[in-house]
Amino acid sequence: DQQVKQNSPSLSVQEGRISILNCDYTNSMFDYFLWYKKYPAEGPTFLISISSIKDKNEDGRFTVFLNKSAKHLSLHIVPSQPGDSAVYFCAASDSNYQLIWGAGTKLIIKP
Amino acid sequence: SQTIHQWPATLVQPVGSPLSLECTVEGTSNPNLYWYRQAAGRGLQLLFYSVGIGQISSEVPQNLSASRPQDRQFILSSKKLLLSDSGFYLCAWNTGTGGYEQYFGPGTRLTVT
Repeated sequence: DQQVKQNSPSLSVQEGRISILNCDYTNSMFDYFLWYKKYPAEGPTFLISISSIKDKNEDGRFTVFLNKSAKHLSLHIVPSQPGDSAVYFCAASDSNYQLIWGAGTKLIIKP
Repeated sequence: SQTIHQWPATLVQPVGSPLSLECTVEGTSNPNLYWYRQAAGRGLQLLFYSVGIGQISSEVPQNLSASRPQDRQFILSSKKLLLSDSGFYLCAWNTGTGGYEQYFGPGTRLTVT
């Protein structure tokens, strides 16, 4: 069973516009959510996170929104830049600190 | 600062051959250590995690095994590789004091032929 779902395998966005990546989860016990960015043939790098006690966290061009009632979170990138082209993974954790991962969304920023 | 190393970066092995992938972490003590596999076009699958020397938990039954002979060393092994073992193997660490964020090594691309 997929507890963390990223339903869009890929997303194409014009440079300078907003990129919105979505993630849904099923386990209401998850209390911490993370976004990672991954380039080909490299390990994922941590991008931004949010605790379940918050509904928004912002870091520069990146903002994560959490809607607990809908069990949905999203990552907004504004403005999108060519270097943002990568695969983005959503991950969730419960109190045992292990991460449950989505399948990833490939973001393509068009010049 | 903390650094995580993995080697080799790329490996091509025949079916039935043994495997040993190594991961080491610098700049921290008593980390939690993780082995993941990413199959082509898929997400990250947790294979093993360790909270201390000699303590290994397996998440997925398979022909792989893991060992932690030293505090900051984590080894992934197999006695006989299968074709289905091909993938991108990632080692990760986080603090043993409750941090959620995991930090990844550069990965090993394994192709079993």
